[in-house]
Amino acid sequence: DTAVSQTPKYLVTQMGNDKSIKCEQNLGHDTMYWYKQDSKKFLKIMFSYNNKELIINETVPNRFSPKSPDKAHLNLHINSLELGDSAVYFCASSPIAVTNTEAFFGQGTRLTVV
Amino acid sequence: TQLLEQSPQFLSIQEGENLTVYCNSSSVFSSLQWYRQEPGEGPVLLVTVVTGGEVKKLKRLTFQFGDARKDSSLHITAAQPGDTGLYLCAGTNTGNQFYFGTGTSLTVIP
Repeated sequence: DTAVSQTPKYLVTQMGNDKSIKCEQNLGHDTMYWYKQDSKKFLKIMFSYNNKELIINETVPNRFSPKSPDKAHLNLHINSLELGDSAVYFCASSPIAVTNTEAFFGQGTRLTVV
Repeated sequence: TQLLEQSPQFLSIQEGENLTVYCNSSSVFSSLQWYRQEPGEGPVLLVTVVTGGEVKKLKRLTFQFGDARKDSSLHITAAQPGDTGLYLCAGTNTGNQFYFGTGTSLTVIP
């Protein structure tokens, strides 16, 4: 069983298009995240959702919008794609814990904007 | 944004050598984690350190949390080709926030 699954794994699209990446976790975790990993492998937090409420938005352009239909899903919608959006996007989840919590990651979605 | 700087950024060594990776920040964290990421996969947790000065060992890997809980190190003894990957430190605080380091790409040559 895949704990955190995201689809698609690869996405190639033209500039200006709108696309979505889906993420589902079957771990019963309360918090889900979207990270962007650039070509230098830096993993930058984009959003986190806790019980369907956004609690972080780290200076991400408003072309990016997370949507959480329920606690197990956090999808990422991207409007008017730009060349600079090309990266690997990771979905993750974690349980709420004071200490020793852990982030569980999906396999990533490699987005290429041409 | 709380920045964690890792050094070195790239490391290529021969099988059997020892190495140390450093993770430094100006911020204090309630815990610090180390993850390993292999190509085409997401990061996977190796260890969590919580107490300042704490040392944890995982087979040939030794992790240390700085006394002030701002920095950490990862030491690998007798590196193996299977250790090849991207190593990421991550600082955490209350509220389930994970702040990842800049990453260290390790290649172990057979």
